[in-house]
Amino acid sequence: QQQVKQSPQSLIVQKGGISIINCAYENTAFDYFPWYQQFPGKGPALLIAIRPDVSEKKEGRFTISFNKSAKQFSLHIMDSQPGDSATYFCAARGWDSNYQLIWGAGTKLIIKP
Amino acid sequence: DTAVSQTPKYLVTQMGNDKSIKCEQNLGHDTMYWYKQDSKKFLKIMFSYNNKELIINETVPNRFSPKSPDKAHLNLHINSLELGDSAVYFCASSRSKGEQFFGPGTRLTVL
Repeated sequence: QQQVKQSPQSLIVQKGGISIINCAYENTAFDYFPWYQQFPGKGPALLIAIRPDVSEKKEGRFTISFNKSAKQFSLHIMDSQPGDSATYFCAARGWDSNYQLIWGAGTKLIIKP
Repeated sequence: DTAVSQTPKYLVTQMGNDKSIKCEQNLGHDTMYWYKQDSKKFLKIMFSYNNKELIINETVPNRFSPKSPDKAHLNLHINSLELGDSAVYFCASSRSKGEQFFGPGTRLTVL
């Protein structure tokens, strides 16, 4: 019940296209859902995060869509650019995970010029 | 003005050796973490620690031990290194329940 399932494992998108990465969770006690971005040779960095009281959060070209009833959330990258090529991780946490982040398996995104 | 720093960046060692990785944060955070990232990029929490509580992932072998000399440092000691310990180890820090900031990672190779 503590798992966060992320898909796809890898994704190739043409420059200018929309990249979509999906995550699903089981634990209804989760109350914070961040996305992290990791470039090769670097540590993950927080990209955008959402709490379950809203269904969408947008920051520039990055949007999180959140469906509480389906227990799913997704990252949309609009007008994808080669510089967006990275590994993306979704995560979740709540009181019964001791507020430790439970991580998805990661998605390697490649944006083709 | 590095936020979370780790040393060394690369560590190559023989099986059976004991090694340490150092981590320092200058963000004034009260919680620090160690993660292991394997070759498939899976991120696994190993420890989280603040000045009150150490939370250990139960799957972490007791050959791994965190040591915190003060709030800004959380070092990772590994005894009797094994081939399967080869991975990238990340230190991170946060305010309690806040955003986690990661260090640049230490690539450990056990021969």
